[in-house]
Amino acid sequence: QQQVKQSPQSLIVQKGGISIINCAYENTAFDYFPWYQQFPGKGPALLIAIRPDVSEKKEGRFTISFNKSAKQFSLHIMDSQPGDSATYFCAASISGAGSYQLTFGKGTKLSVIP
Amino acid sequence: GAGVSQSPSNKVTEKGKDVELRCDPISGHTALYWYRQSLGQGLEFLIYFQGNSAPDKSGLPSDRFSAERTGGSVSTLTIQRTQQEDSAVYLCASSLTSVTTYEQYFGPGTRLTVT
Repeated sequence: QQQVKQSPQSLIVQKGGISIINCAYENTAFDYFPWYQQFPGKGPALLIAIRPDVSEKKEGRFTISFNKSAKQFSLHIMDSQPGDSATYFCAASISGAGSYQLTFGKGTKLSVIP
Repeated sequence: GAGVSQSPSNKVTEKGKDVELRCDPISGHTALYWYRQSLGQGLEFLIYFQGNSAPDKSGLPSDRFSAERTGGSVSTLTIQRTQQEDSAVYLCASSLTSVTTYEQYFGPGTRLTVT
């Protein structure tokens, strides 16, 4: 059972455009939703995270939008740059459950072309 | 400050051999996680440590996999009698895991290839 579904698998965006990656979750107990960025040969790096008490969080060019009723959240990358080309993973976890283990989406490979 | 480090960065082993993978978490981080990243399965949770205890081992795929943590710091993931399906990148992450924050920071991973 895939608890976090991520789409699209791959995305090609022109430099300066907006990249949008979507995730949907099933477990309503999830209450922490981070996004990770991973470059080839490197470990995932925490990019931005949101809790369900807010509908949007912005950090620089990166914005998370969160829709609790639809059980969906998305990452928007404004003014996308070639250096943003990487694989992006959404994730979810449950606080207070002891483990805080992350359940990941399958990833989106983003290519930003000049 | 220093991030999470893992060693070796690459490991090639023959089927049936045992391997040990090491993780050095960020200093002061009490929580430590092991994940596995493979093409077919994506990123999967393996085990969670709080201090030296492992209250959640639910992700370990078989009894060939074990892990320990000593001194609330270094952790070792051991895979016995390796199989080809064990080939993957093994990632370690650490976290403060306080009431207000439990952001996980990942190391670069160990790429394991079983031939």
